Amino acid sequence: QVQLQESGPGLVEPSGTLSLTCAVSGGSISSSNWWAWVRQPPGRGLEWIGEIYHSGRTNYNPSLKSRVTISVAKSKNQFSLRLNSVTAADTAVYYCARVVAATDTFDMWGHGTMVTVSS
Amino acid sequence: QTVVTQEPSLSVSPGGTVTLTCALSSGSLSTSYYIGWYQQTPGQAPRALIYRTNSRSSGVPNRFSGSILGSKAALTITGAQADDEADYYCVVYVNNGRVFGGGTKLTVL
Repeated sequence: QVQLQESGPGLVEPSGTLSLTCAVSGGSISSSNWWAWVRQPPGRGLEWIGEIYHSGRTNYNPSLKSRVTISVAKSKNQFSLRLNSVTAADTAVYYCARVVAATDTFDMWGHGTMVTVSS
Repeated sequence: QTVVTQEPSLSVSPGGTVTLTCALSSGSLSTSYYIGWYQQTPGQAPRALIYRTNSRSSGVPNRFSGSILGSKAALTITGAQADDEADYYCVVYVNNGRVFGGGTKLTVL
């Protein structure tokens, strides 16, 4: 059973960089899936941030594209998110998820990690 | 910018039927948008219900069904149960990206 676990700082200063890692266990990150980041501000809906294939190909949300980098570390079986120039509007629960390429399904999710942007 | 719109809230009686819809700002939805539906309960990660418009994910009860109704995607719950009370999100694949709808809060009462 594939499991995903997010990790990273829970507090980031305004104008700083948010960095999170998602560790994948029980399966290979080099399988035929996309690996995605989704966030949810408190009391609000889901927002797709972007995703990466093990080849390194990425797709990003156009509204965040200028500030986002998603990368993959195959040797560590993990992928990462970097979001630059953060503001309070970036405060959210951040989820990592597996997207099965054959069905476009977000079928496995991490538990989510709360990141607060504040000084 | 692509916007996906859902009803903010709906209610259904136990045992009743309810249809949630998902609309695309730029036109009609079709099966080519790889539409998915997700259920989220408080404090939990979303759970996949429907993929590619009308296919049920593994373990999902058959009271959940997906379809296209006119220009919108739809999720129908037939014979609603108390534990179907949750937030429901659709997601569409468009221009090499994914857009979630704003979500529908479903109350079972």
